Amino acid sequence: AQTVTQSQPEMSVQEAETVTLSCTYDTSENNYYLFWYKQPPSRQMILVIRQEAYKQQNATENRFSVNFQKAAKSFSLKISDSQLGDTAMYFCAVISNFGNEKLTFGTGTRLTIIP
Amino acid sequence: DVKVTQSSRYLVKRTGEKVFLECVQDMDHENMFWYRQDPGLGLRLIYFSYDVKMKEKGDIPEGYSVSREKKERFSLILESASTNQTSMYLCASSRGGASAGELFFGEGSRLTVL
Repeated sequence: AQTVTQSQPEMSVQEAETVTLSCTYDTSENNYYLFWYKQPPSRQMILVIRQEAYKQQNATENRFSVNFQKAAKSFSLKISDSQLGDTAMYFCAVISNFGNEKLTFGTGTRLTIIP
Repeated sequence: DVKVTQSSRYLVKRTGEKVFLECVQDMDHENMFWYRQDPGLGLRLIYFSYDVKMKEKGDIPEGYSVSREKKERFSLILESASTNQTSMYLCASSRGGASAGELFFGEGSRLTVL
């Protein structure tokens, strides 16, 4: 079984600042992938960034980067130079056991960027 | 533009009615999923399918069934809707293998059961 915990239900930050969203996970598998998804208000969910567990280097996508701490089972998302369009629900997710391919999501963090 | 299309954005049904939620994807993806999204609970998997006519129960399958007669279409069925099934329903699809976690989502179907 795999679990994902997001301990910050809501966060807010001033525009142009940097914000970090926390996520911890648990899985008994050695081979797994981690993801952050973004759900803007009234819009569809999209993939922000992914990290393969076997890669030591943290993934980055433009202003989005992760801090992957495998031993601690921690996978935080950092958003630099935050923009109003970053206002959204953010979900952390993990997939393992590739013979039974389903993603497990956390409960989400509602992020508000303040102008 | 790749798309996952859900048939209805908003539905209002009465208790006991049979409800069909349709989802179509145009990316030739093997995997399709139905999630339920509720505040404070995140996304919970109802059913998923990794091939035509194949289905697997997710974490909360009770009260739901699914159908996948064609690769591109995955339907969620509520045989007898109840008020506790009022929720946002999200359909998603993905390729298999290492890309299985890269989901493409529809816009969601908000169901209200009175």
